[in-house]
Amino acid sequence: GAVVSQHPSWVICKSGTSVKIECRSLDFQATTMFWYRQFPKQSLMLMATSNEGSKATYEQGVEKDKFLINHASLTLSTLTVTSAHPEDSSFYICSARNPEALAATQYFGPGTRLTVL
Amino acid sequence: DAKTTQPPSMDCAEGRAANLPCNHSTISGNEYVYWYRQIHSQGPQYIIHGLKNNETNEMASLIITEDRKSSTLILPHATLRDTAVYYCIVRSSTSYGKLTFGQGTILTVHP
Repeated sequence: GAVVSQHPSWVICKSGTSVKIECRSLDFQATTMFWYRQFPKQSLMLMATSNEGSKATYEQGVEKDKFLINHASLTLSTLTVTSAHPEDSSFYICSARNPEALAATQYFGPGTRLTVL
Repeated sequence: DAKTTQPPSMDCAEGRAANLPCNHSTISGNEYVYWYRQIHSQGPQYIIHGLKNNETNEMASLIITEDRKSSTLILPHATLRDTAVYYCIVRSSTSYGKLTFGQGTILTVHP
């Protein structure tokens, strides 16, 4: 199956700092990537849709100025959590849509655990 | 997006078939049914998807009813490593096909 990687796998930062998370599709080109957030014992919640070469589309309630998304190439999307606070501590997961796969199936990365102190 | 309904939890004995049901009574004709699973603290793993016909791959089988209002994911010989949360999702035909996750079914495979 298609491989999606994320880096870092976990990060601990101080309140007020910014953190960048990378999402890469390793064996296919992804014109569309998605960013999700998952709090403990809850399901995944879509934060935004990232389209290569254009602005991301954010879901209702997600602050675009706080969660900066850049999709500069067909294999890389980044999520930057700006001025992070403890309430931003969560499991961040990206997915990439493979346009060559049947029904353009989405494949997920392993996730990034963010802890803000 | 068509909503899905899944039982919150199920148990299965190791080596037996696990049959996970999903209701999607408002599905549209061009919407696919996808199944993913999430093992604790990992990203979701794609299992299988289908539109109208039953599908089978190396991981599982997907049985879709003729009216497409429900489906069943079958793990033919469950192992302890199949313990996970299983999500049944109907993919939106708009908004670049984003996936909306429900609460899923917690499948516990016991020895």
